Order: sequence, then structure tokens, then C-alpha cells
Amino acid sequence: KNQVEQSPQSLIILEGKNCTLQCNYTVSPFSNLRWYKQDTGRGPVSLTIMTFSENTKSNGRYTATLDADTKQSSLHITASQLSDSASYICVVSGAGRRALTFGSGTRLQVQP
Amino acid sequence: DAGVIQSPRHEVTEMGQEVTLRCKPISGHDYLFWYRQTMMRGLELLIYFNNNVPIDDSGMPEDRFSAKMPNASFSTLKIQPSEPRDSAVYFCASSLTGVTGPPTGELFFGEGSRLTVL
Repeated sequence: KNQVEQSPQSLIILEGKNCTLQCNYTVSPFSNLRWYKQDTGRGPVSLTIMTFSENTKSNGRYTATLDADTKQSSLHITASQLSDSASYICVVSGAGRRALTFGSGTRLQVQP
Repeated sequence: DAGVIQSPRHEVTEMGQEVTLRCKPISGHDYLFWYRQTMMRGLELLIYFNNNVPIDDSGMPEDRFSAKMPNASFSTLKIQPSEPRDSAVYFCASSLTGVTGPPTGELFFGEGSRLTVL
């Protein structure tokens, strides 16, 4: 069964600190992996999209890594800000499949 | 562009009533997706359209749910009759190309319609 597992389920950090969120998947064959940020009460917004050949991608203070061999991805947030408080969702697409497989998300809370 | 526009943002209704959710995708996008999000199950694909044609409706939970896309700029998701277990946030999303790639299309979500069925 194609699955996407995210950890931790929730995380609290202090403003200015760094953090790393994890995503493990079993979707095969693999096509691409996305990270989305979802603020409370809003729709998900894309942060990064990575294909098989890409192993790192940055978007401002967000850096995503991908290891297609171990089927793992991480999202690193540098110098966190209060506005980073949100849920972060890992989404994997399988080649030849029509649908995306969504992780259950990591809820991040940044405290002053 | 204004992005994907959904209405209503909030809907409270009583069990048995008909509910219609509306979506206007980003102009020029050929793909439109309806998702449902709950705390228990996260985001689930209900149905998606390509060039106004339904391609995969295997995620539609039961016959009470139906979706239409009469033209490239409008889609509806209808629940009739509604039940309390339908309470969720329903998202519409659109993409210029398919999301499974290649090419890898970026998926743009609307702000969602929060449905509460009493």
C-alpha cells in the first residue's frame, strides 16, 4: 500500500531556532515529492516540488531534501518565525498514478 | 490572478439537506480537483477533472456525492442528502498540467469550504 508517514506529529520550538521535519514514503514507482504549508483555516500552499533527480531544493528559509534510494525527505526551517506556525504536509506522487498520496502533516508551533 | 475561489467559506446545515459547494479554478488551468480534509483522515481526493471531463471519481464516498464541471471556469460539488459524517473542509484545487508528471504541475488550492452538518 502506498503510504506517506510524517514525523513528528507536532513540534514546538522557540522563535529563531531551526527545525527539521521528516517524511518517509513507500510510494513506488516514484514521480515527485511536494511539501505544503497550511495555515490554520487556510488552504495548503506549495513550498517545494522535487523530482527523482533532485536531492535538495530551497525556498527562502525552507530547504527540502530528498533521498529517493531510502525513500526519505526532510524539510528544514532556518531561523524560525512566528509566521512559520502551521501544518506542513508531505505529498508524494507515484509515476503512472493519477492521485497524490498525502501525509497526515506535522503541526509546528513557533513560540516567542 | 485571484487564485482558486471557493464558496461558501462556511456552511452549516441540518442532516438531510442538500449542500452545494462551488469552485472557480485559476484561468487556463486544465485540471480541477476536489479534496476533503478531516482530522481523522487528512486530505483525501474525491474527484478530478481534466478539460471539464471527470477522470477519476473513485474517491467519491457514495452516491450522495456528485460533482460537475459545466465549463472551464466553474465546478460544483453537491451532497444530497447531507449527513453529520460529511462534516469536513472541502478544498478545490487546480493545476495547469497533471500533478503526477512529467511535467510536474504545481497544485493551487482554494481556501476551502468548511461544512458542518447538524
